[in-house]
Amino acid sequence: QQQVKQSPQSLIVQKGGISIINCAYENTAFDYFPWYQQFPGKGPALLIAIRPDVSEKKEGRFTISFNKSAKQFSLHIMDSQPGDSATYFCAALDSSYKLIFGSGTRLLVRP
Amino acid sequence: GAGVSQSPSNKVTEKGKDVELRCDPISGHTALYWYRQRLGQGLEFLIYFQGNSAPDKSGLPSDRFSAERTGESVSTLTIQRTQQEDSAVYLCASSLQAPDTQYFGPGTRLTVL
Repeated sequence: QQQVKQSPQSLIVQKGGISIINCAYENTAFDYFPWYQQFPGKGPALLIAIRPDVSEKKEGRFTISFNKSAKQFSLHIMDSQPGDSATYFCAALDSSYKLIFGSGTRLLVRP
Repeated sequence: GAGVSQSPSNKVTEKGKDVELRCDPISGHTALYWYRQRLGQGLEFLIYFQGNSAPDKSGLPSDRFSAERTGESVSTLTIQRTQQEDSAVYLCASSLQAPDTQYFGPGTRLTVL
């Protein structure tokens, strides 16, 4: 119930391509879904977040798509750049205000 | 302003020793969280403080783990009688108040030999 399942574990994309990372959850009490980006040796940094009352949120090259009925959400990175190479984590906020994280996706964008 | 800071950045210790990890949250942030990140894995919630309320300790893996917070400032995570499976990066985050956006520090990499 408290899990957030993330896939794929790793992803290689050519520069300019679209990176897509998927997450799924079971707990319908989750009401805030952030994505974090983490570079090696650094803490995670908030990238973009969505609440379940909207189906899509776009910020620059980053878009979250949210499917409430399927309990799934995804991150799309358009025009992927080598500087986007990092580990991405989806997360969900539970009713106790704890973030439940997915297992992470290591993205490599080839020049 | 300054972000969340953590010290030390790296800690190597021997099995059985106690360690203390420190977190300085962003000034004015009333909520503070500790997470553990094992190599190649996601973040695992440990404990969360919100103002003067009793902390949520539901994520602490054993009674060897404890944490304190002085008012709305510094927090210390203590691991007693460290074991090799405690080796991980320990991350601290703070937010203005729960459930606002959490801002993470760089973490402390703990290695237990």
